[in-house]
Amino acid sequence: KQEVTQIPAALSVPEGENLVLNCSFTDSAIYNLQWFRQDPGKGLTSLLLIQSSQREQTSGRLNASLDKSSGRSTLYIAASQPGDSATYLCAVGVSGAGSYQLTFGKGTKLSVIP
Amino acid sequence: GAVVSQHPSWVICKSGTSVKIECRSLDFQATTMFWYRQFPKQSLMLMATSNEGSKATYEQGVEKDKFLINHASLTLSTLTVTSAHPEDSSFYICSAGTGGYSAVYEQYFGPGTRLTVT
Repeated sequence: KQEVTQIPAALSVPEGENLVLNCSFTDSAIYNLQWFRQDPGKGLTSLLLIQSSQREQTSGRLNASLDKSSGRSTLYIAASQPGDSATYLCAVGVSGAGSYQLTFGKGTKLSVIP
Repeated sequence: GAVVSQHPSWVICKSGTSVKIECRSLDFQATTMFWYRQFPKQSLMLMATSNEGSKATYEQGVEKDKFLINHASLTLSTLTVTSAHPEDSSFYICSAGTGGYSAVYEQYFGPGTRLTVT
């Protein structure tokens, strides 16, 4: 059974700092990996999706890497802003037997202090 | 593009009543829709996967007779919580899937529905 772990559970940084969020998964046979942002009481916003054959994806100040063999992914946020404050979720996609599922980590709650 | 809506955004109901939550893909057709539940400070847990026109596949531990899922069209899926109890209070999120195994496959998530059972 796929298990996804995110470290740290919470992180507080001053505005302007670069930061890294970590995600690890137990089964390397994945289809893709996604990073999401969730604001309090809200749904999910997809940030980056990395296919299993890719090593990284970039969008603006965000960069996500994937090392499938070691079961790890990182989300790098450059020049953090107070508006980046949210919970960041890592989800691993697995396909097979006609189905496709995402397994989520518990998230990292990020607070960017002005 | 790829917008998913949910209705209602929040609902309060009395114990023993049933509640229906709608999930719609607004600008695309979704062959597969997923229903998740999220408890406070916990991650999203997949409840069931539904394909248009067929029965939903429920995850282990999820009662199919309690959580009725209907996916009657390519743009609408509904989740009905029957005989709701306080322990069913949670944040329910749906997602709609696009693409196939030979293309980029991605889930687009709705904004969620907060259910409180009193």
